[in-house]
Amino acid sequence: SQKIEQNSEALNIQEGKTATLTCNYTNYSPAYLQWYRQDPGRGPVFLLLIRENEKEKRKERLKVTFDTTLKQSLFHITASQPADSATYLCALVNQAGTALIFGKGTTLSVSS
Amino acid sequence: DAGVIQSPRHEVTEMGQEVTLRCKPISGHNSLFWYRQTMMRGLELLIYFNNNVPIDDSGMPEDRFSAKMPNASFSTLKIQPSEPRDSAVYFCASSGGAYNSPLHFGNGTRLTVT
Repeated sequence: SQKIEQNSEALNIQEGKTATLTCNYTNYSPAYLQWYRQDPGRGPVFLLLIRENEKEKRKERLKVTFDTTLKQSLFHITASQPADSATYLCALVNQAGTALIFGKGTTLSVSS
Repeated sequence: DAGVIQSPRHEVTEMGQEVTLRCKPISGHNSLFWYRQTMMRGLELLIYFNNNVPIDDSGMPEDRFSAKMPNASFSTLKIQPSEPRDSAVYFCASSGGAYNSPLHFGNGTRLTVT
């Protein structure tokens, strides 16, 4: 079955640095992958989508890469700010192409 | 745009009781998803609907769980009877348009079964 792995340990960085979060997957080749942000007590909020034929996608300070050979996506936040502190979830479309399967998320903490 | 609306926000009940969670998707969205989130298992897909029709309920943990979508603007997730291991945050999400459209989540219902 599909398996999605994100760094289970929290990532702590200083303001202004680049945060890099990893999403690895096995037993599957998804057509696309999405990244979401979740704040405590709230539902996940969509950030970016990247397709299998796209190597990289950018949105403001966010950058996502998608390596289908390594079966890995990297999520970067440049010039990080304390307001970027949250849990970040990666999600892959299921084999039927009809629903998203989520990783457990990585919690990012940015200190000033 | 009011977003996806879930009710109640918190539910505390005793083991054996029936629990009904409610969801109003974003108007015009044709897909609706129910997820459950726990620290141990993360965000798990329970069931999803397309145009009010259940497409895949293989994520529903047991027969104690059931979901309905009587119309495009309302869905329920029912647990009967509830058990302590059902304690979790239950999220509803909707999406519209293409199959890779982003999901719009509600703020969840935190269920505690004692």
